[in-house]
Amino acid sequence: NAGVTQTPKFRVLKTGQSMTLLCAQDMNHEYMYWYRQDPGMGLRLIHYSVGEGTTAKGEVPDGYNVSRLKKQNFLLGLESAAPSQTSVYFCASRPFSPQGNTEAFFGQGTRLTVV
Amino acid sequence: KNEVEQSPQNLTAQEGEFITINCSYSVGISALHWLQQHPGGGIVSLFMLSSGKKKHGRLIATINIQEKHSSLHITASHPRDSAVYICANPPNTGNQFYFGTGTSLTVIP
Repeated sequence: NAGVTQTPKFRVLKTGQSMTLLCAQDMNHEYMYWYRQDPGMGLRLIHYSVGEGTTAKGEVPDGYNVSRLKKQNFLLGLESAAPSQTSVYFCASRPFSPQGNTEAFFGQGTRLTVV
Repeated sequence: KNEVEQSPQNLTAQEGEFITINCSYSVGISALHWLQQHPGGGIVSLFMLSSGKKKHGRLIATINIQEKHSSLHITASHPRDSAVYICANPPNTGNQFYFGTGTSLTVIP
């Protein structure tokens, strides 16, 4: 049982380049999230998805796009990378509950540097 | 917006000490999540609790829903406990977690 897997784990991009981060979960979870983590800022939500084919903006969505074509995969795209997007990116998933109080599972993170 | 506050922000302890990290939140919830992140590492779920107390090894988490407060205790601390501990508030409605900014713990041998 792999849980939540992020690829790649590390990447260096030049300003203006594009890339896609892949998050895959094998737990059949409905909810998936992309966060970025910056020093002193904690985890900030970029985009999230409540199910296959649906996505929504989080706290810091600018400069990012997402897609959830399959339930198990949640892709985060950077169309034109900027140095301000240098960060550690975490994907998370959790099962649906009407009460909302289900445990989240996180990937190992992707360290992205934009030069 | 739900505010989640942790204290202290930084904590240094000698090996063997009893450690307490606190988490307070502003909106009523039905459960709270404690997470652990080692330096340069991923984020691991420690506890999800909705009442009373949970124990896993040397880690104990308590929650008081009425007071909107939770604590994470580490007994007989060890250098391998050095990490950032984050509390997170899953909402009663909606889909987003609200995270504290974390408590950075360093345990010195």
